Amino acid sequence: ETGVTQTPRHLVMGMTNKKSLKCEQHLGHNAMYWYKQSAKKPLELMFVYNFKEQTENNSVPSRFSPECPNSSHLFLHLHTLQPEDSALYLCASSKDKMGTEAFFGQGTRLTVV
Amino acid sequence: AQSVTQPDIHITVSEGASLELRCNYSYGATPYLFWYVQSPGQGLQLLLKYFSGDTLVQGIKGFEAEFKRSQSSFNLRKPSVHWSDAAEYFCAVGLRGSQGNLIFGKGTKLSVKP
Repeated sequence: ETGVTQTPRHLVMGMTNKKSLKCEQHLGHNAMYWYKQSAKKPLELMFVYNFKEQTENNSVPSRFSPECPNSSHLFLHLHTLQPEDSALYLCASSKDKMGTEAFFGQGTRLTVV
Repeated sequence: AQSVTQPDIHITVSEGASLELRCNYSYGATPYLFWYVQSPGQGLQLLLKYFSGDTLVQGIKGFEAEFKRSQSSFNLRKPSVHWSDAAEYFCAVGLRGSQGNLIFGKGTKLSVKP
């Protein structure tokens, strides 16, 4: 139990589908993150939310749309994805955005067909 | 630009042997330093962290790391590796201040042979 829960664990979707990834943290943290982890690539930070406000978008294509309704929940809405978007998507949270330790969920393994 | 380098992509050690995974960072000041471990298909688990103080840090699962300011390094060590330690290990730095997101190295995959 990491305190950060991601659902679903696995997702297969077609390129015309719309799906959402969910992340929930019960740690009382104020910052939440989406990372993308592809084979043979370093972890890529996608989005950062601090106190529900998006503070960073690392040039992520608009087919990825994050949503943070409160400090405990983070979503990643997916539409019109490409096969190269297949990856492990990791959610993380931290007490604040001051470079302190992050706690990770177990990830969603996404396959786009 | 800030960066984290893990020079070894893949390391194989025998069970019971000692282990050292290398990590170097490039940053003008002393950052927060972390080591994470990731088992296949899983998220990242924090092994240990350095914020300040004693430069030798003890972590979970028998791991330790030593911060060497002069070498900008934060190498991870374990005196005796177990088969269950086979995983991928990531070094990360956190930049002190308001823009302090974590920056990760590319990871080192550890294989353990019997």
